[in-house]
Amino acid sequence: QKEVEQNSGPLSVPEGAIASLNCTYSDRGSQSFFWYRQYSGKSPELIMSIYSNGDKEDGRFTAQLNKASQYVSLLIRDSQPSDSATYLCAVNLGANSKLTFGKGITLSVRP
Amino acid sequence: DTGVSQDPRHKITKRGQNVTFRCDPISEHNRLYWYRQTLGQGPEFLTYFQNEAQLEKSRLLSDRFSAERPKGSFSTLEIQRTEQGDSAMYLCASSFPSGAITGELFFGEGSRLTVL
Repeated sequence: QKEVEQNSGPLSVPEGAIASLNCTYSDRGSQSFFWYRQYSGKSPELIMSIYSNGDKEDGRFTAQLNKASQYVSLLIRDSQPSDSATYLCAVNLGANSKLTFGKGITLSVRP
Repeated sequence: DTGVSQDPRHKITKRGQNVTFRCDPISEHNRLYWYRQTLGQGPEFLTYFQNEAQLEKSRLLSDRFSAERPKGSFSTLEIQRTEQGDSAMYLCASSFPSGAITGELFFGEGSRLTVL
C-alpha cells in the first residue's frame, strides 16, 4: 500500500461548483497534513495545512481531517477556471521527517 | 529574486554520462530537500539536509545518486552513469526546520533531465 493515495482522477467540475478532492494515508503516526497546488509546468505551492481532526477553512478552501479513518480531503467552493491544476496531498510524520506526497489529482474547472 | 533557484533548468544527456544539478535555497532556510517528479506522479523524496548534514536519504535511491551541501548553503545532486529511467524533473525545496511541521516548503522551478 502506498503511503499517500489519491483518487486517480482527473476531476472535471463546472464553474461555480464544489470540487471535492480526497486522500488517504497509511501511517497512523502521521502528524501534519497538507495540500499543495501545482499548475502545469510549475512547481508545487502550499495552499492548506491541517493538524487536528475536523475542518479548517481558508477562503474558498476547506481542508477536512479524520485521523481515525486516515483520511484528508480538500473542498473548493465556487470553483473557478483558475483553480484548474493538479492538487497534491502530502503528509508528515514529525519535525525531523520529510513530506511524503501522493500522486496528485488533476482538477479541470469548465467555464 | 530571493526564491529557490536551480541550474540547469534543462539537461539532455546520453545514457552512461554523469550529470550534476545545483540548488541555491532561500538564504535564511537551513533545510534543503531534493525530490524527483515524473509525469503524472507526485514529488518523490530523495534526500534532505539540515545545514550541511544529510539527515535522510530515500531507501529507493540508487547509489548512483549523491547529494552534497558542503557549506550549508547551496546543494548539488549528482547522478552517475545515467539511465533512461532517471529522466524526470528534479525539484529542490528549502524551508526553516519548522517547515516540516508547517509544510511550508518552497520549491524551485526544477531541473528537467532527459536521458537518451
